[in-house]
Amino acid sequence: DAKTTQPNSMESNEEEPVHLPCNHSTISGTDYIHWYRQLPSQGPEYVIHGLTSNVNNRMASLAIAEDRKSSTLILHRATLRDAAVYYCILRVQIQGAQKLVFGQGTRLTINP
Amino acid sequence: DAGVTQSPTHLIKTRGQQVTLRCSPKSGHDTVSWYQQALGQGPQFIFQYYEEEERQRGNFPDRFSGHQFPNYSSELNVNALLLGDSALYLCASSRRWGNTEAFFGQGTRLTVV
Repeated sequence: DAKTTQPNSMESNEEEPVHLPCNHSTISGTDYIHWYRQLPSQGPEYVIHGLTSNVNNRMASLAIAEDRKSSTLILHRATLRDAAVYYCILRVQIQGAQKLVFGQGTRLTINP
Repeated sequence: DAGVTQSPTHLIKTRGQQVTLRCSPKSGHDTVSWYQQALGQGPQFIFQYYEEEERQRGNFPDRFSGHQFPNYSSELNVNALLLGDSALYLCASSRRWGNTEAFFGQGTRLTVV
């Protein structure tokens, strides 16, 4: 399976932007890049996804490198509620089925 | 919309026993995937069901089996439980067609003693 590599942890201050990096050098042409986050005692929550172009939604922005071997999740103005484990995931399609290949994730701490 | 619901939320079993976990997908979703999340790790894909058949399987032994019902709900069965099966089991639902996100349930915390 194609894999993703993320920093184990990152720290930021409230109301500041946060850039969460991810490497996926073995990504294939049909793999989508997804980001999920997980709060304690909860299931993962979808944040954003993209294939080649940069994407924006109400939660975040996703910047994808031109060669697609890396991407960055951008939280424009972090709040305390953004503290979570953020997973950069490849959505792999095999024989009509899709699966999410999770890495270890980045634990994001937000300081007040 | 209730989202993805899983039951039970917590479960304690003894080694060698069998367990069944249940999942109801989000309304409008026809595909269910199961993941195992060990403490401190990212979720690992177990298998995916749509049209009542297993379509893709991760690197898990045959002790792990599943079922999908006509109403798209699903069960995960684990036989001959081992201590190492203790984990959070997550169900995710999605639509088979279209590039849409998966919605996860809160999970079932299984402890094997």
